[in-house]
Amino acid sequence: DAGVTQSPTHLIKTRGQQVTLRCSPKSGHDTVSWYQQALGQGPQFIFQYYEEEERQRGNFPDRFSGHQFPNYSSELNVNALLLGDSALYLCASSQSGTDTQYFGPGTRLTVL
Amino acid sequence: AQSVTQLDSQVPVFEEAPVELRCNYSSSVSVYLFWYVQYPNQGLQLLLKYLSGSTLVKGINGFEAEFNKSQTSFHLRKPSVHISDTAEYFCAVSGNTNAGKSTFGDGTTLTVKP
Repeated sequence: DAGVTQSPTHLIKTRGQQVTLRCSPKSGHDTVSWYQQALGQGPQFIFQYYEEEERQRGNFPDRFSGHQFPNYSSELNVNALLLGDSALYLCASSQSGTDTQYFGPGTRLTVL
Repeated sequence: AQSVTQLDSQVPVFEEAPVELRCNYSSSVSVYLFWYVQYPNQGLQLLLKYLSGSTLVKGINGFEAEFNKSQTSFHLRKPSVHISDTAEYFCAVSGNTNAGKSTFGDGTTLTVKP
């Protein structure tokens, strides 16, 4: 059983560009959450998707948007990249109503 | 609003010694508490969780944690550590049992020395 997968593993962009990160949840999971983990810090909640809709959102600007597809996979889009967006982006999946989320290995985004 | 403070950014310890990683939280609602471990270049793995019931929670890899409501703490312990326990450990709090939207601490780096 494959766990949570994310692509790409690493990504380098320049300021002002746009980026799309992808996540496939663990089999049987219908909920996807995205986190940003800056160097030396804990993960910060960006948003959560369930039934193709954004269900909860953390304190992130509208430059951060997402999407969930009918197969429960998800994308995170970041527009107008800033240097401060450089971080590890983690995807976590869970089954709605349960208390445990499973994390993917993350995508390391570097903004130059 | 919720917050988590991990009191030690780095904890060095010798192999086979006991270890305690400290976590304090604040929350205005009921809390559900989690400890995760992150090995280099990997995602987070759940070690243990407290949702309700017994305040002493046992997790994987020999770790346990105790929920102390009066002190708003959820410290992680292991009686004897191994080299393979070297990793980053994160304490997290959630306001409900729905996984996701957890608030994380900044992590504690546990380094186990031979």
